[in-house]
Amino acid sequence: GNSVTQMEGPVTLSEEAFLTINCTYTATGYPSLFWYVQYPGEGLQLLLKATKADDKGSNKGFEATYRKETTSFHLEKGSVQVSDSAVYFCALWGGSEKLVFGKGTKLTVNP
Amino acid sequence: NAGVTQTPKFQVLKTGQSMTLQCAQDMNHEYMSWYRQDPGMGLRLIHYSVGAGITDQGEVPNGYNVSRSTTEDFPLRLLSAAPSQTSVYFCASSYSGGSNYGYTFGSGTRLTVV
Repeated sequence: GNSVTQMEGPVTLSEEAFLTINCTYTATGYPSLFWYVQYPGEGLQLLLKATKADDKGSNKGFEATYRKETTSFHLEKGSVQVSDSAVYFCALWGGSEKLVFGKGTKLTVNP
Repeated sequence: NAGVTQTPKFQVLKTGQSMTLQCAQDMNHEYMSWYRQDPGMGLRLIHYSVGAGITDQGEVPNGYNVSRSTTEDFPLRLLSAAPSQTSVYFCASSYSGGSNYGYTFGSGTRLTVV
């Protein structure tokens, strides 16, 4: 079945550091890929998405490129801020009406 | 728009008690689902619905019931609560199953079963 594997962290960075959170997937066909963010005490919010190979999703300075050859969708940001501290989830939709999530990566950014 | 509204935000139950977690959306979304979030487990799908009158099981359905009588509402029922059901529950909705559309999540219900 479809699955998502992401680095579990936690990840701790200093402000203005470069962020990468790895995400790889297993799926048949051509899934759509998503990154969600969960701030403390809140529900998940869609951060960005990509629906076909080589698409780049971007939002709020975050980027992720859909790489079919490596089955990856790594999340990157060039300069993180304290306000980016949250849990980040990679997710996949493979056409079965079920969104499959990774286990989440907690990011803490220190001033 | 209110989006997805979940009530209550917090609940403590005794083992064996029953309760209903409420979920309502005002976006005319056909697809709704319930997830539970546990430490180290990510989000796991409990039940989902692709429209009024249609529901199906997800990954972890045991101990939970759902129904979908209207497009707007998708309540989750715990018939006899167990400590293993202590978790944070999220309701989510989408225009479709989620291919090109993101899910909109509620703010969650934190449930403790003692």
